[in-house]
Amino acid sequence: GAVVSQHPSWVICKSGTSVKIECRSLDFQATTMFWYRQFPKQSLMLMATSNEGSKATYEQGVEKDKFLINHASLTLSTLTVTSAHPEDSSFYICSARPRDYNYEQYFGPGTRLTVT
Amino acid sequence: AQKITQTQPGMFVQEKEAVTLDCTYDTSDQSYGLFWYKQPSSGEMIFLIYQGSYDEQNATEGRYSLNFQKARKSANLVISASQLGDSAMYFCAMREGPNRDDKIIFGKGTRLHILP
Repeated sequence: GAVVSQHPSWVICKSGTSVKIECRSLDFQATTMFWYRQFPKQSLMLMATSNEGSKATYEQGVEKDKFLINHASLTLSTLTVTSAHPEDSSFYICSARPRDYNYEQYFGPGTRLTVT
Repeated sequence: AQKITQTQPGMFVQEKEAVTLDCTYDTSDQSYGLFWYKQPSSGEMIFLIYQGSYDEQNATEGRYSLNFQKARKSANLVISASQLGDSAMYFCAMREGPNRDDKIIFGKGTRLHILP
């Protein structure tokens, strides 16, 4: 089956620093990728939708200057959390849709971010 | 208003029994898709089953079946012959619309505990 990887799987950073999370589709081309965040014991909340070669579409309430999303190629999207604060600590999950999308959407394993 | 409602925050079921997880949805679109995902403690999102709004037959995948009642806007997941490994968080999700960048939104989830 289609595989989506995320790197790193977990990261600890200091308050005020920036962190970049990569999401890669390993064996298919993903024209659309999605970024979610999930707080403990809660549901996945969509942060943004990114299409290859165009600007991401952010959900209401998500700060685009804080969560920078770049979908530079058909296999890679990155999420950069800028000037991270402890409240940004969360589980970040990406998902990718293949070019020949029917209904499949493949999720990455997630990245756990802890900001100290 | 919530688009996806899962009214059971937690359930305890005896091993080998069947279990039904409830999900109701709200949409005015004619074309939409309904999903169920399993999230074990590792955090990965595991796709279980999909039902398109135009599909007349209920979807089935092994031990999983989706009881699709379109008029009632419900999409309950039925797991037959539950196993200990079924203990996890289960999310119902919906994609509104047929397009590539139509987003998937998730319900709050149901935590399922299978008892030996």
